[in-house]
Amino acid sequence: DVKVTQSSRYLVKRTGEKVFLECVQDMDHENMFWYRQDPGLGLRLIYFSYDVKMKEKGDIPEGYSVSREKKERFSLILESASTNQTSMYLCASSLDGAALLSYEQYFGPGTRLTVT
Amino acid sequence: AQKITQTQPGMFVQEKEAVTLDCTYDTSDPSYGLFWYKQPSSGEMIFLIYQGSYDQQNATEGRYSLNFQKARKSANLVISASQLGDSAMYFCAMREGPNTGNQFYFGTGTSLTVIP
Repeated sequence: DVKVTQSSRYLVKRTGEKVFLECVQDMDHENMFWYRQDPGLGLRLIYFSYDVKMKEKGDIPEGYSVSREKKERFSLILESASTNQTSMYLCASSLDGAALLSYEQYFGPGTRLTVT
Repeated sequence: AQKITQTQPGMFVQEKEAVTLDCTYDTSDPSYGLFWYKQPSSGEMIFLIYQGSYDQQNATEGRYSLNFQKARKSANLVISASQLGDSAMYFCAMREGPNTGNQFYFGTGTSLTVIP
């Protein structure tokens, strides 16, 4: 059974703090993704990674950075948290699309981050 | 232009009735995959059904079927015999490729409420 885990379900941070969100998958997937989900806006891609140490910006990368030092782990970093980064953050993983286009994304349970 | 458009922010359906959730997509890639996910109030994303651009038949999975109209670029989800547990957010997604990257594009979602 594929499993994607995220380090926290709920997180409360103060403005200006550096925030780390961790995501781990156990299926040897090449691709990993970070999304934020806000009501009425759906899932918006922040960053994705298609290999260790490789990353691509998504639609809303401003204010975020990522790190992928090991294949199974993908971290999202908020360098200086702001109130407009209060959101639900979802991590996902998938096989490479060149291998199998039909392979879906597997999602973690999400982290609800509140920045005060 | 939006890659995935879901025009129904909210839908209501009577228990045991069928309901159609709309999804249109935009791509010039001849090879692509379309996915539907369900997100209950608990937050986890659950994969429901997949349709490939070259698939000749509409995909079906139990009570879920995908009404794929390639010329219209639509991929509507049909849920038959609705149950109370079907109340959730539903997201349509697309993956292009396999040579155009590994990104998934999501719509803004449709909130379905099943009325007893």
